[in-house]
Amino acid sequence: AQTVTQSQPEMSVQEAETVTLSCTYDTSESNYYLFWYKQPPSRQMILVIRQEAYKQQNATENRFSVNFQKAAKSFSLKISDSQLGDTAMYFCAHRIQGAQKLVFGQGTRLTINP
Amino acid sequence: DAMVIQNPRYQVTQFGKPVTLSCSQTLNHNVMYWYQQKSSQAPKLLFHYYDKDFNNEADTPDNFQSRRPNTSFCFLDIRSPGLGDAAMYLCATSSLGGRDEQYFGPGTRLTVT
Repeated sequence: AQTVTQSQPEMSVQEAETVTLSCTYDTSESNYYLFWYKQPPSRQMILVIRQEAYKQQNATENRFSVNFQKAAKSFSLKISDSQLGDTAMYFCAHRIQGAQKLVFGQGTRLTINP
Repeated sequence: DAMVIQNPRYQVTQFGKPVTLSCSQTLNHNVMYWYQQKSSQAPKLLFHYYDKDFNNEADTPDNFQSRRPNTSFCFLDIRSPGLGDAAMYLCATSSLGGRDEQYFGPGTRLTVT
């Protein structure tokens, strides 16, 4: 069975700092997708970034980038130049290619302090 | 803009009184999901539809049912809500064969009194 583990329940950094959220997963499949979702307080869950397992290049979306280590089954999210609006719960998620379901991690509550 | 819409955003119901939550989408996605999310926890998948095929999670209580009358709409029925069913209910959609990520609605917060 697939599992996703986020070992940091809470993190807090100062505005403009860089922060890295960790995520590890377990799967026996070779083709899959990994995602980071952001859920701000009382707001909608939105996709931050996605990574296809077959791609060696790490995905990047503006200030957000990932460090995808396939052999280690690690998928960390780096947020550069953090902003107050980055305050949210962040969920790491995994989906096998062809499967319909996401497997979520437990989430990391990130607070950006002014 | 194409989106996932949930109504109502807030729902209060009485213990044991049936309630229906609705979800609609303009994305024309073939998969629709219902999740239950309790405070500071990850969403918990209740069930999903792949087109008209209903897929129930093994640990979803019988109290929870769903209907998908067409591609655009999906409903969550809670037959006899208990206090433990108070939660945020999230609807999501995805298009298998497309970009594959799930698009979430804003959620319906259910309160049971």
